[in-house]
Amino acid sequence: GQQLNQSPQSMFIQEGEDVSMNCTSSSIFNTWLWYKQDPGEGPVLLIALYKAGELTSNGRLTAQFGITRKDSFLNISASIPSDVGIYFCAGQYRDDKIIFGKGTRLHILP
Amino acid sequence: NAGVTQTPKFRVLKTGQSMTLLCAQDMNHEYMYWYRQDPGMGLRLIHYSVGEGTTAKGEVPDGYNVSRLKKQNFLLGLESAAPSQTSVYFCASSYPRGNQPQHFGDGTRLSIL
Repeated sequence: GQQLNQSPQSMFIQEGEDVSMNCTSSSIFNTWLWYKQDPGEGPVLLIALYKAGELTSNGRLTAQFGITRKDSFLNISASIPSDVGIYFCAGQYRDDKIIFGKGTRLHILP
Repeated sequence: NAGVTQTPKFRVLKTGQSMTLLCAQDMNHEYMYWYRQDPGMGLRLIHYSVGEGTTAKGEVPDGYNVSRLKKQNFLLGLESAAPSQTSVYFCASSYPRGNQPQHFGDGTRLSIL
């Protein structure tokens, strides 16, 4: 079945640094989604990507839908303390079928 | 503006007990999903529903049952709880079109002793 490889698993960065994470798969997806999860809460949608090659921004966040439709990346510029959390990618390949990566846990060092 | 509401938020069960988790959404979404989240495993789909009266198995359905008697509600049942079912459970919902993202509840933290 479809699988997503999300990397890195965790990141330790200094406040103000830029962050990059990605998801890859051997399968093709129609939609790529990026979610963020804060402690004790459910995932919240950050960015949705619907076309191969699409580059979309949401404030300091930028995500791209890979040309091959098998990968996506998320960049966060100038990180701030509230960026701490777990980031999940998700690939949708049918109206009712979506799979999630295992998450990237972002830590920001004081 | 409730969105997706899960009840209860926390529960502790003994092995062998049964319980039902309730998910309610007020967005008129057709699709609803139940996931479990375990450390290092991400979100794994248990069961889902594409409409009132329909259910389907996801990636890890064993030990769980679901029902969708009303469009706005999706129930997840544990018939005989096992310690391996200790997890955080998330409900999500979405519109039926393929490019409509899922909206999540805040989760139910379930511990089985």
